Amino acid sequence: AAGVIQSPRHLIKEKRETATLKCYPIPRHDTVYWYQQGPGQDPQFLISFYEKMQSDKGSIPDRFSAQQFSDYHSELNMSSLELGDSALYFCASTSTSGRAYNEQFFGPGTRLTVL
Amino acid sequence: AQSVAQPEDQVNVAEGNPLTVKCTYSVSGNPYLFWYVQYPNRGLQFLLKYITGDNLVKGSYGFEAEFNKSQTSFHLKKPSALVSDSALYFCAVREYSGAGSYQLTFGKGTKLSVIP
Repeated sequence: AAGVIQSPRHLIKEKRETATLKCYPIPRHDTVYWYQQGPGQDPQFLISFYEKMQSDKGSIPDRFSAQQFSDYHSELNMSSLELGDSALYFCASTSTSGRAYNEQFFGPGTRLTVL
Repeated sequence: AQSVAQPEDQVNVAEGNPLTVKCTYSVSGNPYLFWYVQYPNRGLQFLLKYITGDNLVKGSYGFEAEFNKSQTSFHLKKPSALVSDSALYFCAVREYSGAGSYQLTFGKGTKLSVIP
């Protein structure tokens, strides 16, 4: 079965650079969530989208922005990168109907390293 | 606000022995609870969930969890641990924040080490 796809899997950037992370949800899933997991930390919710509209914001810095496109894929844009942004970034998708309603399916994550 | 706590940073168990990874929750309504497992440098894999119904929930890889409303707990269990079960386990609660958004709030994680 198709899973959540994230690209790139690894990304190395320098301070003050920008980065774009992409997430392709499971087909027919209408909701996407972004989480950030710092080293040795639990995943923290950043932002979510439902039907291409932002539905909620968590602990997402103002330097970050995100959107969901017409094909339901989502991109997390990160500017003025800081060393503390180094983390594993997960995307999760779910459907607001059907069997998957209560379950978030996670992608493999993008490991961002800021030097 | 809803929250979830995992009181143990690490659990060690001998292979073949039963294992328990503890989780307690604090919610204002009916809890939606989840367990995820994370292997080194890997993503989060869903193990099981409690939404409603039977208090004993069976999940992937032989894991199960018992929902206990009076103790506000959702402990993860397995009758016989395998070395391959060694990983980081996260308990999570689904939190509704409006506009169709149901983000997960995770516990701090428990590192399970199964000793051969």
